[in-house]
Amino acid sequence: KQEVTQIPAALSVPEGENLVLNCSFTDSAIYNLQWFRQDPGKGLTSLLLIQSSQREQTSGRLNASLDKSSGRSTLYIAASQPGDSATYLCAVDNTDKLIFGTGTRLQVFP
Amino acid sequence: GAGVSQSPSNKVTEKGKDVELRCDPISGHTALYWYRQRLGQGLEFLIYFQGNSAPDKSGLPSDRFSAERTGESVSTLTIQRTQQEDSAVYLCASSLGDWGGQETQYFGPGTRLLVL
Repeated sequence: KQEVTQIPAALSVPEGENLVLNCSFTDSAIYNLQWFRQDPGKGLTSLLLIQSSQREQTSGRLNASLDKSSGRSTLYIAASQPGDSATYLCAVDNTDKLIFGTGTRLQVFP
Repeated sequence: GAGVSQSPSNKVTEKGKDVELRCDPISGHTALYWYRQRLGQGLEFLIYFQGNSAPDKSGLPSDRFSAERTGESVSTLTIQRTQQEDSAVYLCASSLGDWGGQETQYFGPGTRLLVL
């Protein structure tokens, strides 16, 4: 059974810091891994999708890496801003459904 | 273009009543998914549709839960004889259904269900 774990559970940093969020999964037989952002009272926004054959994806200040063999992914956020405050979720695509981690709650203070 | 929409946005019901939650996927998306998120917990997969067939219902927690989809459009999630543990945010997502690893799922804003 696929299990997805995210650490840390919560993170509070001052504006401008670079930070790394971690995601690990137990079954490496995945199609892809996705990172989402969830704002309070709102749905999920897709940030990055990494196919199983890829090592990383970049979008603006965000960079996600994937090491499928070791069951790990990291989301790197450069020059964090208060608007980055949200819960970040990673999810692995297990054929026809996403298996989610419990998320990292990020707060960036001015 | 329009994203995934869900209705109602909030629903309060009494224990034992039936509820229907609606999802309108992005036009042209053949795949549709239902998830739920209980307070303080992660998202749980409920059911997946490809077109109007449901090849994976493995996440439905009990036979009180059912879902239908009309063609490649609207889906309805029905919960019969609601229980307090059904209280959660129910999220719907859709994707192109064009398999090959590049399957971003786009999520709706969710329906917040509270069973009293």
